[in-house]
Order: sequence, then C-alpha cells, then structure tokens
Amino acid sequence: DAGVTQSPTHLIKTRGQQVTLRCSPKSGHDTVSWYQQALGQGPQFIFQYYEEEERQRGNFPDRFSGHQFPNYSSELNVNALLLGDSALYLCASSLETVYQETQYFGPGTRLLVL
Amino acid sequence: DQQVKQNSPSLSVQEGRISILNCDYTNSMFDYFLWYKKYPAEGPTFLISISSIKDKNEDGRFTVFLNKSAKHLSLHIVPSQPGDSAVYFCAATPIIQGAQKLVFGQGTRLTINP
Repeated sequence: DAGVTQSPTHLIKTRGQQVTLRCSPKSGHDTVSWYQQALGQGPQFIFQYYEEEERQRGNFPDRFSGHQFPNYSSELNVNALLLGDSALYLCASSLETVYQETQYFGPGTRLLVL
Repeated sequence: DQQVKQNSPSLSVQEGRISILNCDYTNSMFDYFLWYKKYPAEGPTFLISISSIKDKNEDGRFTVFLNKSAKHLSLHIVPSQPGDSAVYFCAATPIIQGAQKLVFGQGTRLTINP
C-alpha cells in the first residue's frame, strides 16, 4: 500500500519562472492538501482539493494555483517565482469523512529559487 | 498572528527518561489537535491526536494531554528512545465536515542522548 508520493524531490528555478509540483495520494484517499514549509518554521496551509475543486485556501496569493484529477492526484502550480517561494512543499492526503480524520504527508518537494 | 505556538525550539533528554513537549494555542475554535514527528528529508509522520471532548489520549509510549481552559497541550514520551530524536510539530484545527486545514506550531527539536 503506497503512501503519499510527490515529485520531483528537488527543484531549482530562477525568479520569474513557473513550477509544477505533483502529488499522488495514499491509496483510498480522496482529498489532497498542500502546505509550504519555510526553513525553521512549521508547515503553512496553501489550499485543499476535494472532488476536483478547491475547497479551502490559506493566505497565499493567486500565483499559487492547483488542480485535482479524477484519480485524486493533484498538482501545485506557482507562477512568477520569487526568492521567498524557496521552501519545502508538502502534500497531505486524507479521506473525506464527517469527523476527525488524519492527514498523511508525503516526503515533500524542496524548491530553491535563485 | 501565531495561533499555535511551541515556545521551546529545542529539548534535550536522557535516554529512558520522560520527554515533555508543550504547545499553546489561541483560537478557541480549535477542537482537534495532532502531533506530528518529522525526520530530515521526510514528510511529517502522524503520531497521536486528541479531541477537545477528552483531556488525555494514550498510544503506547506517547500520551497527549489537553487543558482547554489554559489552551495548552503537551506530548509525553515515556521512555524516550534514541529513535525519538526528531522535530515535533503540534497542529490544531476546528472540527468541520471533511478534511481540516491544519495550523502548525514552529516545531520543537527533540534530541535523545544515550
């Protein structure tokens, strides 16, 4: 039973470029959340996808966008990269339930913007 | 506005002794709390959670205590083992239908000394 997988593991981009990160949820999970973890900080919620729609969004600009596919996998896109976008990007998956579900995280994609 | 705070950036404990990690929160809407452990180059791993209807939850060597009036929770690890050395994150969320937006603390680096 594969857990949450993310690709690529590392990425180097320059300012102004665009990047796409990918996530495959844990088997049986239908909800994907994305988090940004800056160095020395806790993860910060970017947005969440369920049934191919963005359901919740954190305090991130519109340069951050996403998509969820019918097989529940997801992409995070960041346009017009800034130096401050350098961080570990984490994907978490969960199963849509009414109450108290747990999010399981992938290993992350480390993005460096030069 | 840091809604979840872990005021100790680091903690060093002797192997076999008790490790106590603390977390404070400010948002009274939070009623579900989780602890995650993170090793370098890996994503956060879920450890244990607690709902606001309880004041204690135990799972093997790990126990989480919740004091709602003080808006404080703690994670106890007994006995501490070298493999427990990692960064520990406290996270909180309001209970809503479906997956939650997790709000994380800054993390506490726990080092277990032999």
